[in-house]
Amino acid sequence: AQSVSQHNHHVILSEAASLELGCNYSYGGTVNLFWYVQYPGQHLQLLLKYFSGDPLVKGIKGFEAEFIKSKFSFNLRKPSVQWSDTAEYFCAVRGYNTDKLIFGTGTRLQVFP
Amino acid sequence: GAVVSQHPSRVICKSGTSVKIECRSLDFQATTMFWYRQFPKQSLMLMATSNEGSKATYEQGVEKDKFLINHASLTLSTLTVTSAHPEDSSFYICSAIYDTGELFFGEGSRLTVL
Repeated sequence: AQSVSQHNHHVILSEAASLELGCNYSYGGTVNLFWYVQYPGQHLQLLLKYFSGDPLVKGIKGFEAEFIKSKFSFNLRKPSVQWSDTAEYFCAVRGYNTDKLIFGTGTRLQVFP
Repeated sequence: GAVVSQHPSRVICKSGTSVKIECRSLDFQATTMFWYRQFPKQSLMLMATSNEGSKATYEQGVEKDKFLINHASLTLSTLTVTSAHPEDSSFYICSAIYDTGELFFGEGSRLTVL
């Protein structure tokens, strides 16, 4: 069965610090990978996605993620966070032959000025 | 991007009553929508896949008679929580597949059962 693991449940950073959020998945075939963000009081928004091709994908707001197939990982990075990045971040995986999206447990990011 | 809207955003009901939550794709047609449930400080748990014109497909452990899903049109799916109990209190989120294969999410509906 598909599963997604996010190791960091709560991350606290100061502005301008670098960010890396871990995401590992378990699935026996080709996958599509996603990172979503949920700002306080708002709905989920897509940050970036990987379907195929270049394993380093760039998303909105300066975020990027790298798909490492051998490690079953899709870590999210940002070189310099801002206070406005304070939100909940979810990694998600979808098997190539299914529409169902399976989410990780989420990581709460707090950025202090 | 595409817009998915849920209504109501918050609902409070008495134990034993039924509550209907609507999910609409406002600017596109969605043959497939999904219903998720999110517990506090936890992930989104997929409850069911809603298919236009056919029966919903429920995930293991989700009671289909408890959580009725109807996808009567290409822009509307409804989730009805029947005979609600306090343990059904949660945040319910729907999503719809856009033409590109990307999922767009609704704002969520917070249900509180007293």
